[in-house]
Amino acid sequence: QVQLQESGPGLVKPSETLSLTCTVSGGSISSGGYYWNWIRQHPGKGLESIGYIYYSGSTYYNPSLRSRVNISVDTSNQLSLRLRSVTAADTAMYYCARAGVHYYGSGKPWPSAFDLWGQGTMVTVSS
Amino acid sequence: DIVMTQSPDSLAVSLGERATINCKSSQNILYSSNNKNYLAWYQQKPGQPPKLLFYWASIRQSGVPDRFSGSGSGTDFTLTISSLQAEDVAVYYCQQYYSNPFIFGGGTKVEIK
Repeated sequence: QVQLQESGPGLVKPSETLSLTCTVSGGSISSGGYYWNWIRQHPGKGLESIGYIYYSGSTYYNPSLRSRVNISVDTSNQLSLRLRSVTAADTAMYYCARAGVHYYGSGKPWPSAFDLWGQGTMVTVSS
Repeated sequence: DIVMTQSPDSLAVSLGERATINCKSSQNILYSSNNKNYLAWYQQKPGQPPKLLFYWASIRQSGVPDRFSGSGSGTDFTLTISSLQAEDVAVYYCQQYYSNPFIFGGGTKVEIK
């Protein structure tokens, strides 16, 4: 069965770049049929969608983070998140998640609900 | 952006009693061409990632007990736990995936009375 596991540094200095990886096991991230997402949760708070990537390479980023974020997929079956110029406000639990693909009548693909989540990785931004 | 408003923020229910959580979207999230409501419900237990309970507002994810039900259409949605069990203590979130960015509700914390 497919599993997701986030990894990365737990502590990042202000103004630096946060880099996280989500390793997908039990399935190929490039085989199609899913959108791959990053979501974060500030301590004691709700959930915020950061963005996603489709197997074709097309991406979407939340406008609140668009100027600082990049999501990519590499050949080692990993999903990556890079968030530049971090501040304390970026301190959060970061999750990767899979979303199914739904097709509109026109054949346009669109993400469905997040049906599989990683355990998350906590990132603290502090000097 | 579509704003998702959940109510109440928290509720305490006796074991075996019904728990009802409401979620209201600021815009219609029913796509008329396919008659689907682009709404999901998640359960998050302490120290765990969210778990999908329902998609398309009322389609139960595999493995979710049938004491859970999802209903509603358009802008008003409800998650109901018909007979609360101890293992249902969690925070519940609704989320729209009708338009970007996908927004989650603020969450409803369910506790045992």
